[in-house]
Amino acid sequence: QKEVEQNSGPLSVPEGAIASLNCTYSDRGSQSFFWYRQYSGKSPELIMSIYSNGDKEDGRFTAQLNKASQYVSLLIRDSQPSDSATYLCAVPNFNAGGTSYGKLTFGQGTILTVHP
Amino acid sequence: NAGVMQNPRHLVRRRGQEARLRCSPMKGHSHVYWYRQLPEEGLKFMVYLQKENIIDESGMPKERFSAEFPKEGPSILRIQQVVRGDSAAYFCASSLGGTETQYFGPGTRLLVL
Repeated sequence: QKEVEQNSGPLSVPEGAIASLNCTYSDRGSQSFFWYRQYSGKSPELIMSIYSNGDKEDGRFTAQLNKASQYVSLLIRDSQPSDSATYLCAVPNFNAGGTSYGKLTFGQGTILTVHP
Repeated sequence: NAGVMQNPRHLVRRRGQEARLRCSPMKGHSHVYWYRQLPEEGLKFMVYLQKENIIDESGMPKERFSAEFPKEGPSILRIQQVVRGDSAAYFCASSLGGTETQYFGPGTRLLVL
């Protein structure tokens, strides 16, 4: 059973701080990783994807991937109250042929609260 | 370019009735996925379909649940003889190809009385 684990929340940070969200995965062969944001009562919204080891930056968001440690993280700089949401880490599964396809396994999510 | 469309957005059924949830993928997308989110739980994969084919239904409950994605028209998730435990948000996602990014629809909130 492939698993995706996220650090338990809720995570509370003051406005302007850096929020750090972590995720580990069990399938060493995983090649791609996604971070989704889900506001309460809404659908998941893709905010970052990462495929290579290292950092990937997009505005205030930075995804970090370490395949050797099977670890992916999301940093949110200059956190805003509007960033308050549940953040979901997702990893595609592999089929029998060893190629990845889009069925996603999600972590339980980390609830982030940014307080003024 | 319209996003993933789902209808209805809210659906109320009494125990024993049938629920039909519809999903129209993004234009040009031929891969559809259904996920379920039970209250206070994470998103769980249910089924993966391409036009006229079920690729993976490993997450579907063995009874009462079925899905299709016909050559023409939306994908349908059908739940027969609903029970209170079926109350959840059902999300559809679509992708251009099987390894591409998935984009989610707004979901259907099913409430079983």
